[in-house]
Amino acid sequence: AQSVTQPDIHITVSEGASLELRCNYSYGATPYLFWYVQSPGQGLQLLLKYFSGDTLVQGIKGFEAEFKRSQSSFNLRKPSVHWSDAAEYFCAVGAQGGSYIPTFGRGTSLIVHP
Amino acid sequence: DAGVIQSPRHEVTEMGQEVTLRCKPISGHDYLFWYRQTMMRGLELLIYFNNNVPIDDSGMPEDRFSAKMPNASFSTLKIQPSEPRDSAVYFCASSLTRGSTGELFFGEGSRLTVL
Repeated sequence: AQSVTQPDIHITVSEGASLELRCNYSYGATPYLFWYVQSPGQGLQLLLKYFSGDTLVQGIKGFEAEFKRSQSSFNLRKPSVHWSDAAEYFCAVGAQGGSYIPTFGRGTSLIVHP
Repeated sequence: DAGVIQSPRHEVTEMGQEVTLRCKPISGHDYLFWYRQTMMRGLELLIYFNNNVPIDDSGMPEDRFSAKMPNASFSTLKIQPSEPRDSAVYFCASSLTRGSTGELFFGEGSRLTVL
């Protein structure tokens, strides 16, 4: 069975600082990997996804993530955080081929200080 | 195109009452998911449908919960009778498998408060 671990429940950064949110997954084959963002009072929105090819993927809002198979990781990064990036971030893993129902991590809450 | 539409956005009810949450998925999507989000348990998958057929309801917490999808454009999640511990945000999401990489499209959620 697939699983996702987001080890940080909360992350606090200053506006303009760089950001890295960690995600580790467990899956026996090549996974689909996703990062979603949830702004307060909203549903989840896809930031980016990896399914094959280049292991560094670009997403919306200036985010990127790197798939590292050897570390079973898919960390989310942004070089300079804006106050509007404060939100909940979810990593998810899905199975390639057949049923791909994604498994979500518990989420990381990003707090941005001015 | 319209996204996933959920109603009501907010529901406050008293313990023991019946609650019905509604969802209209994106047209053409063949998967529909119901999730529940709480501070304690995070995002939990309750049930999902494929082509209107329930595939896995192992996440439904109790028999008080039921879900239906009578057609491709409508689904309901019903709680009867409701209890205070059912208070949560309930999300509906849909996706398309053919030619897809599994992205889910979420509605804005229905915030349920059971007093």
